[in-house]
Amino acid sequence: QSVLTQPPSVSAAPGQKVTISCSGSSSNIGNNYVSWYQQLPGTAPKLLIYDNNKRPSGIPDRFSGSRSGTSATLGIAGLQTGDEADYYCGTWDSSLSAVVFGGGTKLTVL
Amino acid sequence: QVTLRESGPALVKPTQTLTLTCTFSGFSLSTSGMCVSWIRQPPGKALEWLARIDWDDDKYYSTSLKTRLTISKDTSKNQVVLTMTNMDPVDTATYYCARTNRIQLSIGAFDIWGQGTMVTVSS
Repeated sequence: QSVLTQPPSVSAAPGQKVTISCSGSSSNIGNNYVSWYQQLPGTAPKLLIYDNNKRPSGIPDRFSGSRSGTSATLGIAGLQTGDEADYYCGTWDSSLSAVVFGGGTKLTVL
Repeated sequence: QVTLRESGPALVKPTQTLTLTCTFSGFSLSTSGMCVSWIRQPPGKALEWLARIDWDDDKYYSTSLKTRLTISKDTSKNQVVLTMTNMDPVDTATYYCARTNRIQLSIGAFDIWGQGTMVTVSS
């Protein structure tokens, strides 16, 4: 059982926007920055969003992140078939002194 | 260009000790702010963080696995080594090493990942 809670799956049509939620607590999301990762089939995770809402160089602005209280959200606009992947949220947990991840969300672009 | 590469045995027997090596380039683990973590992913399952070592040799471990894990670094070789004792079939997973650059990122973020190495635990 993951410390952070994500929906197992989301889906939307090409061109649409989808959001993926990540729920935690005051010891993790509530007081630490959140990052998001994209894992395409058979590949290593790739950093999409860090510090709640910042994008690394090369990540298109179709990807966005936000945090409110003890929850975070990843938004993906203008969906493309190439966005089909598993998405994970992660953050530091101050009580555990450890990094914690969500259980992952599988995105299907219909 | 920053790269990380994991190496180690593909198959270990139950109760054996696993030793994995992360060899990296493009940065130094003696530079302030640099950290390397190990993260694993069982087939079809979620990511699980295991351990981290920092530039100043501070070490952090997963609460549930800390009695079985040891992380160390060899700065001269640009390597980080993870040992996990008493391996069990449930430890079958792809093991990744990943970098955190604390100058640019928060402690829970990994900007560069290795390709991963699959480890199967079976007799």
